[in-house]
Amino acid sequence: ETGVTQSPTHLIKTRGQQVTLRCSSQSGHNTVSWYQQALGQGPQFIFQYYREEENGRGNFPPRFSGLQFPNYSSELNVNALELDDSALYLCASSFDWEVDTQYFGPGTRLTVL
Amino acid sequence: GESVGLHLPTLSVQEGDNSIINCAYSNSASDYFIWYKQESGKGPQFIIDIRSNMDKRQGQRVTVLLNKTVKHLSLQIAATQPGDSAVYFCAEEVRDDKIIFGKGTRLHILP
Repeated sequence: ETGVTQSPTHLIKTRGQQVTLRCSSQSGHNTVSWYQQALGQGPQFIFQYYREEENGRGNFPPRFSGLQFPNYSSELNVNALELDDSALYLCASSFDWEVDTQYFGPGTRLTVL
Repeated sequence: GESVGLHLPTLSVQEGDNSIINCAYSNSASDYFIWYKQESGKGPQFIIDIRSNMDKRQGQRVTVLLNKTVKHLSLQIAATQPGDSAVYFCAEEVRDDKIIFGKGTRLHILP
């Protein structure tokens, strides 16, 4: 098991609602990346936070936003939920965005009805 | 464009045989490639990586081959075990902060 935890494990929301997902990074890691994984697909990069600043963003609309806290934990916020937002949301922590130090959490399964 | 794809969605292999999972990438500027394993209910797990200045890298029971001429990656797993059952993704780092994953190949181990 990695030291990366995510909460909640599962979540059901309705279209138009807002959701906040949380991620606690591995001890010693200062970078958190968020990914969206639709069923049967590979993870898609949403954005990355390094030392509390956004450090890169994928092709996701502004209603996907995030935060990183001084302890390097992170939140992903999604506003105005759409049906297509249903997916597994993964966070991964690393040290100085070095991919070979990256550990993924188990994910949060979001279902939008 | 940026895309990483896989040739086969499902691969069935007899326990004890070697497994080979293939992957094509399209971004010729990519210089870092990674293979991940994702078991049911878990996040992806880093297996092995390779930089574009290499054509082969070996780990414990795994080997990654990179053919830059045809933009092709493969992951070889020696003596496949039941615990190797998972979905395997190839991925490429397009810059320090962005990794592009392929769609994945499910490896199924036959007893």
